[in-house]
Amino acid sequence: GAVVSQHPSRVICKSGTSVKIECRSLDFQATTMFWYRQFPKQSLMLMATSNEGSKATYEQGVEKDKFLINHASLTLSTLTVTSAHPEDSSFYICSARDREPDGYTFGSGTRLTVV
Amino acid sequence: EDKVVQSPLSLVVHEGDTVTLNCSYEVTNFRSLLWYKQEKKAPTFLFMLTSSGIEKKSGRLSSILDKKELFSILNITATQTGDSAVYLCAVRNSGNTPLVFGKGTRLSVIA
Repeated sequence: GAVVSQHPSRVICKSGTSVKIECRSLDFQATTMFWYRQFPKQSLMLMATSNEGSKATYEQGVEKDKFLINHASLTLSTLTVTSAHPEDSSFYICSARDREPDGYTFGSGTRLTVV
Repeated sequence: EDKVVQSPLSLVVHEGDTVTLNCSYEVTNFRSLLWYKQEKKAPTFLFMLTSSGIEKKSGRLSSILDKKELFSILNITATQTGDSAVYLCAVRNSGNTPLVFGKGTRLSVIA
């Protein structure tokens, strides 16, 4: 089946630094990648929709200058959390539409802890 | 605004019990409803439902959709401790759109 590889799986960083999360579709072309955030004991909340070769579309309340999304190729989308703060600590997951008519494949997630 | 509501939010049962998880939705252009199981990492796919009244089954898990009443149920029979997880319901609209997730039901199965 379709696979989305997400790295890193876990990262701890200091306040004020930036962290880049990568999602790579391994055996299919992902023209669209969705980025979600999940706080403890809460559901997945869509942050942004990333389209290859164009600017990402951000959900209301998500700062585009803080969460930089780049989708420069059909197999790679990146989310950079800039100037991270402790409140950015969360579980970040990407999801891509795969080959199946209604298929969505999730990355394995990145647990970010900002100290 | 698209909405997916799951109930109950949490549930504690004993091994061997049968549970029913509920998901109701209000979306603009319904295409499909999906169920996921989430343990410590990313959600894993369980079922996708597009037609009313057709039960999907996988082992002890089964699910059905009612498009007239806009809800779905996920049944788990003879529960085991390994079934403990958060079960997420998500709905997809037509077009290249993201999934809309419910808040999930946290199921705890105790021995």
